[in-house]
Amino acid sequence: TQLLEQSPQFLSIQEGENLTVYCNSSSVFSSLQWYRQEPGEGPVLLVTVVTGGEVKKLKRLTFQFGDARKDSSLHITAAQPGDTGLYLCAGRHIVGGGADGLTFGKGTHLIIQP
Amino acid sequence: DVKVTQSSRYLVKRTGEKVFLECVQDMDHENMFWYRQDPGLGLRLIYFSYDVKMKEKGDIPEGYSVSREKKERFSLILESASTNQTSMYLCASSFPRGGRHTGELFFGEGSRLTVL
Repeated sequence: TQLLEQSPQFLSIQEGENLTVYCNSSSVFSSLQWYRQEPGEGPVLLVTVVTGGEVKKLKRLTFQFGDARKDSSLHITAAQPGDTGLYLCAGRHIVGGGADGLTFGKGTHLIIQP
Repeated sequence: DVKVTQSSRYLVKRTGEKVFLECVQDMDHENMFWYRQDPGLGLRLIYFSYDVKMKEKGDIPEGYSVSREKKERFSLILESASTNQTSMYLCASSFPRGGRHTGELFFGEGSRLTVL
């Protein structure tokens, strides 16, 4: 089984602080996606990164794909209560992986306290 | 906007009952998926389908079956529900990867099933 390790599993910080969430694997991915899931809802795609070393920004969120395409990070600047949710990374394998070629991390539960 | 609709948000069933979870998407997506989500285990793929009347086992298909009679509809069936099938069930759809499509999954809101 090819795994995607997300860290930290839980994170609770104050509004205005910065944070970074990590997604690591020993496998190489053709692409990697980040989703956010709010309580009682399904996950919603935030971004897809494809090229090694790629950096994408979505307002206060910065996503980076590792040079070797084995890992990724999500950095949030000046976190706000609306950022609260479960953040999931999902890697698409070049070969193998889950039955559909997509492996999900177990997620990072993020709580931003006012 | 893409919309994936799951028929029931909350269900409570008894052990041994047959359970149907329905999912409908309105974007003409070829691919449809059923996942279950459990604390500490993340999302696990149960079954998926790449075309009408076509189905493929995911990583945890035991105790489940599926039906895809129409392109827009993908049903998950629990023939005889058990307590260990208490979970959040998520349906998703996507275009096939390739070209401008990166395989983004569009999820429904989820169906929380409790089996007593």
